[in-house]
Amino acid sequence: DTAVSQTPKYLVTQMGNDKSIKCEQNLGHDTMYWYKQDSKKFLKIMFSYNNKELIINETVPNRFSPKSPDKAHLNLHINSLELGDSAVYFCASSQSGFQPQHFGDGTRLSIL
Amino acid sequence: AQTVTQSQPEMSVQEAETVTLSCTYDTSESDYYLFWYKQPPSRQMILVIRQEAYKQQNATENRFSVNFQKAAKSFSLKISDSQLGDAAMYFCAYRRVYGGATNKLIFGTGTLLAVQP
Repeated sequence: DTAVSQTPKYLVTQMGNDKSIKCEQNLGHDTMYWYKQDSKKFLKIMFSYNNKELIINETVPNRFSPKSPDKAHLNLHINSLELGDSAVYFCASSQSGFQPQHFGDGTRLSIL
Repeated sequence: AQTVTQSQPEMSVQEAETVTLSCTYDTSESDYYLFWYKQPPSRQMILVIRQEAYKQQNATENRFSVNFQKAAKSFSLKISDSQLGDAAMYFCAYRRVYGGATNKLIFGTGTLLAVQP
């Protein structure tokens, strides 16, 4: 039933490690997004993909690499994690960027 | 570049009362969408209401309504008959109409709403 699902919901790891967050949507949407919510609750776009093609790539360190194997999936891989990467990461989807975006429940990433 | 400003970091309302959350935005475009999202402590992002800029009529969804003032670039959210479940962080967001998949949401900094029993 879940429209946009992210795994894992919580991720605790040490500095320097590499980790991935997975996102899947079953809404048939063709556009998917990653947003970052920092400790002050500010939400900012990181990436968007449309039909597996990278459309938006905001000023994000190249340690962050999104991958979209198909329209329904958008994963986020993060290399060499730093303390400043601690945040909640939200996946979202919409149809061609026009319809409202539906969000996943977020992944809280904590770097020790 | 478009910006969204929420000048009230925190608000409080008594149960059953009405509260209005403020949002202003800056854009040079004439067509766009505006949204209010609710984020309860569970951290989900829930769409509350949306407004198309070309529509003069204010959007309403049950107890939630907006006051959209295009000339003033103001988009406030009114919550009537407040309920305990309305307690959450509320985000105002802007999105362009044109540009298809480049249409990212631009968020304000949020207003934390407390509902007192």
